[in-house]
Amino acid sequence: DTEVTQTPKHLVMGMTNKKSLKCEQHMGHRAMYWYKQKAKKPPELMFVYSYEKLSINESVPSRFSPECPNSSLLNLHLHALQPEDSALYLCASSQEALAELYEQYFGPGTRLTVT
Amino acid sequence: RKEVEQDPGPFNVPEGATVAFNCTYSNSASQSFFWYRQDCRKEPKLLMSVYSSGNEDGRFTAQLNRASQYISLLIRDSKLSDSATYLCVVNMGNTGGFKTIFGAGTRLFVKA
Repeated sequence: DTEVTQTPKHLVMGMTNKKSLKCEQHMGHRAMYWYKQKAKKPPELMFVYSYEKLSINESVPSRFSPECPNSSLLNLHLHALQPEDSALYLCASSQEALAELYEQYFGPGTRLTVT
Repeated sequence: RKEVEQDPGPFNVPEGATVAFNCTYSNSASQSFFWYRQDCRKEPKLLMSVYSSGNEDGRFTAQLNRASQYISLLIRDSKLSDSATYLCVVNMGNTGGFKTIFGAGTRLFVKA
């Protein structure tokens, strides 16, 4: 059973909507990640938070806005998305970030459809 | 050349077969290596970490060859439930930054 939870499991939104994806981890990890995964492709890193601070932004469009309220929670705020943003959005956590030795644990993902 | 490359697959094997996947990486500064499995429409799940010369967990054996810059995953006595996509993941860290690189994945179908 995953110790990284994500809500909602599925989300359908229009291009003018504002929505948020939520992620929570219960492992005491200090690093959290957002990934985007299209069908039959590997996950693509979007953002990395380390100790609640944004450490990496992989040139993600501003219509995606991450937020880390505390070390256990990670949000992804969505606004004015495009149909091509439809994908599986995965949250992950690891013991530390910016340290190459630690494995990441993934949540079940939110399947997003933009209409 | 991609930073992490995997056998394209798919691999179609009968139950009970032994199957091996390879993954090559281009950055010699890479420090840690992992195999994840991903079922259709599910999240990647950590299968094995490969830190030094390799490790074994039941039917699964992972090997690391730093000189040739590749890792492998061997699955013995394949089960139907082993059918999934196997992702090779490489963590690279240096003073310039930190990266997690995913291979494109290898699909495995185990048939009765």
